[in-house]
Amino acid sequence: GQSLEQPSEVTAVEGAIVQINCTYQTSGFYGLSWYQQHDGGAPTFLSYNALDGLEETGRFSSFLSRSDSYGYLLLQELQMKDSASYFCAVRDPGEGFQKLVFGTGTRLLVSP
Amino acid sequence: GAVVSQHPSWVICKSGTSVKIECRSLDFQATTMFWYRQFPKQSLMLMATSNEGSKATYEQGVEKDKFLINHASLTLSTLTVTSAHPEDSSFYICSALSRGPRGYNEQFFGPGTRLTVL
Repeated sequence: GQSLEQPSEVTAVEGAIVQINCTYQTSGFYGLSWYQQHDGGAPTFLSYNALDGLEETGRFSSFLSRSDSYGYLLLQELQMKDSASYFCAVRDPGEGFQKLVFGTGTRLLVSP
Repeated sequence: GAVVSQHPSWVICKSGTSVKIECRSLDFQATTMFWYRQFPKQSLMLMATSNEGSKATYEQGVEKDKFLINHASLTLSTLTVTSAHPEDSSFYICSALSRGPRGYNEQFFGPGTRLTVL
């Protein structure tokens, strides 16, 4: 099976930088994705790492180390609107790697 | 593009009744859709994979006779919670698989349906 662990909550102030970690155990690996979800809303795709290294998309960056089964999401220049839950996810080998297994989730609270 | 809608956005029902939730892909066709359940402050848990024209594939521990899934067309999948009980109260989210802007298949999520069973 697949399991992904994340810190339950992270707090930071506006303008700061925060890192959300994700460690995973999988029976097969097809990349690590990150999603943002505001309360009561749909998950929205943020980033995807298939290979080791850093992927940068604006204020958000994501890093992957396959040898360490570890990744993180880096949020820079934090804004109040970044307060949300963040989930890492891997593709499950079932259904041709189309199924997603989500991590435990990290609630980010950004304060003024 | 790749917009997924759900209806209703919220529903309150009495214990023992059945509730149907619709998931539609608005501007694309989706042979595969997924249904998730999310309890407060918890992660999304996959319930089942819905394939157009065939039976759904349920995850371990999900009662297929209680959560009926029908994927009758390339743009519509429905989830029916039969004989709902208070413990079925949750946030139900669907997603549809489509080729995304990055060139590979991605899941595009609906806005979710909040079910409250009294």
